[in-house]
Amino acid sequence: GAVVSQHPSWVICKSGTSVKIECRSLDFQATTMFWYRQFPKQSLMLMATSNEGSKATYEQGVEKDKFLINHASLTLSTLTVTSAHPEDSSFYICSATGQGLLPYFGPGTRLTVT
Amino acid sequence: DAKTTQPPSMDCAEGRAANLPCNHSTISGNEYVYWYRQIHSQGPQYIIHGLKNNETNEMASLIITEDRKSSTLILPHATLRDTAVYYCIQINFGNEKLTFGTGTRLTIIP
Repeated sequence: GAVVSQHPSWVICKSGTSVKIECRSLDFQATTMFWYRQFPKQSLMLMATSNEGSKATYEQGVEKDKFLINHASLTLSTLTVTSAHPEDSSFYICSATGQGLLPYFGPGTRLTVT
Repeated sequence: DAKTTQPPSMDCAEGRAANLPCNHSTISGNEYVYWYRQIHSQGPQYIIHGLKNNETNEMASLIITEDRKSSTLILPHATLRDTAVYYCIQINFGNEKLTFGTGTRLTIIP
């Protein structure tokens, strides 16, 4: 199957700082990428949809000014958690699709805000 | 909101077939059934999908009832590495916006 990577795999940051998470499609052009968040023992919750070259579409209840998404190329999307707080600690997962492919998921990034 | 319902947990003995049910009674004619699984602390992994015919690949088989209101994912010879949360999702093919329900936590017992 297609390969999607995320970087970093885990990150610890202090409250009030910003953290950037990268999602890359390694062997295909991803016209659309999705960002999910998963809290312990819960299911994945879709945060936003990003299409290459256009603004992201956020799900209801997700603050677009707090979770900045950029999808500047067909192989890279970034999620920046701004002014992070402990309640933002979570497992962030991206998926990518394009060229008729099913969505493939990245390995996830575990964010811990202290 | 997720439109499918699955049992929260199941156990299966190693080497036996694991049969995971999914109810999708509201499925429409152009919606597919997708199955993904998530091993602890990893991203979801695609398993199989189908519309109305039964499907089989190297990972699993998918049996869809004639009325399409339910389906069963079959892992023919479960191994310990199959321990994961399995998600059944109904969605229009080409709409890649996947909505995850609570899934079934499958535990393979040695």
